[in-house]
Amino acid sequence: EPEVTQTPSHQVTQMGQEVILRCVPISNHLYFYWYRQILGQKVEFLVSFYNNEISEKSEIFDDQFSVERPDGSNFTLKIRSTKLEDSAMYFCASKQGFVHSPLHFGNGTRLTVT
Amino acid sequence: AQSVTQPDIHITVSEGASLELRCNYSYGATPYLFWYVQSPGQGLQLLLKYFSGDTLVQGIKGFEAEFKRSQSSFNLRKPSVHWSDAAEYFCAVGSSGTYKYIFGTGTRLKVLA
Repeated sequence: EPEVTQTPSHQVTQMGQEVILRCVPISNHLYFYWYRQILGQKVEFLVSFYNNEISEKSEIFDDQFSVERPDGSNFTLKIRSTKLEDSAMYFCASKQGFVHSPLHFGNGTRLTVT
Repeated sequence: AQSVTQPDIHITVSEGASLELRCNYSYGATPYLFWYVQSPGQGLQLLLKYFSGDTLVQGIKGFEAEFKRSQSSFNLRKPSVHWSDAAEYFCAVGSSGTYKYIFGTGTRLKVLA
């Protein structure tokens, strides 16, 4: 069964550094997402991406964050200058083209900012 | 405002007992409803989904859920819980009016042997 893959599984970075989290969505999916989950807390929507542009973003997704689909397979989340509070599990998800399609999640990247 | 509520933060059941996890939503448009399960250190796995038709939906691992529009609920059930069902369960809602899916705060299930 096709799956969403995320790399790396764990990223440690120093405050103020830039990080790029990478994802390979399922190949025939059209919508791409990033969510984050701070340890023990809820799964929070960050951004959705469709047709090579951001379709919706949350208030968390400020100017420090950006997303890109640089080629036909990868989908990346960049945090320009990390803060301690960015420490979380970041999940990539994708879905097919139907409005009611479910999200398919990767196993996440645990980001630790020190 | 759109919201999803899972009233139970923790639930403990004995193996073999029945299970019901509650989910209530508040949405202006017709909702699309999902249940996901998350094992420790893992991603979220889809258990089942509802968007139209029969209000009782079957999912993987023996789970089912019932959509009740009048109660704005989509509760997850399983007749007999197995020890391997211990995990965190998330209810999620989407709609035609938005790209994002909103998740509840989760219910952590503990299963006693």
